[in-house]
Amino acid sequence: DIQMTQSPSSLSASVGDRVTITCQASQDISNYLNWYQQKPGKAPKLLIYDASNLETGVPSRFSGSGSGTDFTFTISSLQPEDIATYYCQQYDNFRLTFGGGTKVEIK
Amino acid sequence: EVQLVESGGGLVQPGRSLRLSCAASGFTFDDYAMHWVRQAPGKGLEWVSGISWNSGSIGYADSVKGRFTISRDNAKNSLYLQMNSLRAEDTALYYCAKDDEGGAAGLMDYWGQGTLVTVSS
Repeated sequence: DIQMTQSPSSLSASVGDRVTITCQASQDISNYLNWYQQKPGKAPKLLIYDASNLETGVPSRFSGSGSGTDFTFTISSLQPEDIATYYCQQYDNFRLTFGGGTKVEIK
Repeated sequence: EVQLVESGGGLVQPGRSLRLSCAASGFTFDDYAMHWVRQAPGKGLEWVSGISWNSGSIGYADSVKGRFTISRDNAKNSLYLQMNSLRAEDTALYYCAKDDEGGAAGLMDYWGQGTLVTVSS
């Protein structure tokens, strides 16, 4: 199975800061990489699909990049409503795996 | 509006069985693959199983293979997860999620609110 290593596991940043999360796959997954946001007590929400495509309705401060094994998720200017845990997820012919998650807090 | 409503969770003893259901509405159910994803208390997300639009492609996580069975009834717009030989480590909130394609994909664009399964004696 493909393993997804996500870092950091948590971070604290100030409102307006640029926040970056990385995700590394154990083998080449092309661009089959999605990013989800999960707020406390809520279901996950798709933010970025296929590594760099913004889901409809998602604010443009969220972005993603990468291909192959190394991927990056960025919040360009952290807002109070962005407090959540973020997960990367790869998909390979019905063998899906998630990263361990990154909890984002406000400093 | 896409809606996914899970049901069937509860408290069950180790070794027993439980069947989860997910009622879908607001989209053409038989056009899309579907998934089950779980989250143990205080832990991250774990994909459990997925099924293509026509049940022709099915996948399972190694942790549930041989114990869980995914199925769907397109006439009833419903997804199911039959869980047998339950273990304490299966305790989790189980989410139903819609894929954005019909085939063997893995991009989950809509999620339900989950149903809680607790395995304990």
